[in-house]
Amino acid sequence: AQKITQTQPGMFVQEKEAVTLDCTYDTSDPSYGLFWYKQPSSGEMIFLIYQGSYDQQNATEGRYSLNFQKARKSANLVISASQLGDSAMYFCAMREGLEGYQKVTFGIGTKLQVIP
Amino acid sequence: GAVVSQHPSWVICKSGTSVKIECRSLDFQATTMFWYRQFPKQSLMLMATSNEGSKATYEQGVEKDKFLINHASLTLSTLTVTSAHPEDSSFYICSALPASGSDTQYFGPGTRLTVL
Repeated sequence: AQKITQTQPGMFVQEKEAVTLDCTYDTSDPSYGLFWYKQPSSGEMIFLIYQGSYDQQNATEGRYSLNFQKARKSANLVISASQLGDSAMYFCAMREGLEGYQKVTFGIGTKLQVIP
Repeated sequence: GAVVSQHPSWVICKSGTSVKIECRSLDFQATTMFWYRQFPKQSLMLMATSNEGSKATYEQGVEKDKFLINHASLTLSTLTVTSAHPEDSSFYICSALPASGSDTQYFGPGTRLTVL
């Protein structure tokens, strides 16, 4: 079974609008961490946001917020006020366990295109 | 802060030759580094976890004799693709975990390997 599922291969959003990128995960470990990374066409992976399984509040980092619904095992990324520079691949990832050295599994990604 | 570099950024080599890729943490020490490969339009797949001063831990299906990993210092890990073949052509990305206790991996910009 897929540990990380991203069902949107591609998304379009108008500049200045908000967009939600979906991510669901599967684990039986009560301790886990969820990540979102951005990969522009240049290839580097840019860390955006992190949510721990025991965190009570949804994580936020500037224009990025993570809509964490534990019971539904979803960790959607919300980008507010989209900018042209947000056009990129976005990967959801999960680490089973809370130790940094533990393996991180990535989803297949969603390609976001911001339209002027 | 938390900058990771990779060298070279791209390399073209002949089949049968070996290629070494370096991953450096520039402004922090990393006891653990990770090596991923990414095929076009696909997600990142973890190849191995590299710990400073010890042998790397390889994921299932990754040939340790083909992909040699050395993590000789707290700021440098190397991946050597031995006897490279065209099917080894891929985008190789490393990440580093700060020794300070951060639970977030920071990624390098990647190395694009093309084997002719």
